[in-house]
Amino acid sequence: DAGVTQSPTHLIKTRGQQVTLRCSPKSGHDTVSWYQQALGQGPQFIFQYYEEEERQRGNFPDRFSGHQFPNYSSELNVNALLLGDSALYLCASSLGPPDEQFFGPGTRLTVL
Amino acid sequence: RKEVEQDPGPFNVPEGATVAFNCTYSNSASQSFFWYRQDCRKEPKLLMSVYSSGNEDGRFTAQLNRASQYISLLIRDSKLSDSATYLCVVIGNAGGTSYGKLTFGQGTILTVHP
Repeated sequence: DAGVTQSPTHLIKTRGQQVTLRCSPKSGHDTVSWYQQALGQGPQFIFQYYEEEERQRGNFPDRFSGHQFPNYSSELNVNALLLGDSALYLCASSLGPPDEQFFGPGTRLTVL
Repeated sequence: RKEVEQDPGPFNVPEGATVAFNCTYSNSASQSFFWYRQDCRKEPKLLMSVYSSGNEDGRFTAQLNRASQYISLLIRDSKLSDSATYLCVVIGNAGGTSYGKLTFGQGTILTVHP
């Protein structure tokens, strides 16, 4: 039974570029949440997708957008990258009311 | 004020020591509480849920005080393998704007040395 998977594992971009990160939830899970974790900080909630719709959103600008597909996998898109977007991006999946969320290994994004 | 606050440490303790971490949260309507563990450059993993009655899992004991909006984690007989960052996590109540999202504290770094 595969857990949460994310791709790519590492990514290097330059300021102003756009990036797409991908997440496949744990088998049987239908809800995907995305978090940003800067160095030395706890993860910060970006948004959550359920039934292909954004259900909750944290305090992130519109440059951060996402999508959920019918197979429950999800993408996180970030436009006009800033140096401050450098972080570990974590995807978590859950089933229904997401009390227990299972995290993927993350994508480490570096913006130069 | 941050929604969830933790003492970042670091805590450096010898093997066998008892160590306690504290966490406070600001939203009195918060519904669920957890401790996650995160190893260096890895994803967070659920350590244990936290209940008002307190709960224990081996060497780990978690407590919740709703009146004081305070959560604690006690680790007894520390092992080298306990070295990690411990994250306090809160989930908001159903129907609220925080429902379903995990709000993390900054994390407390623990290093257990021989």
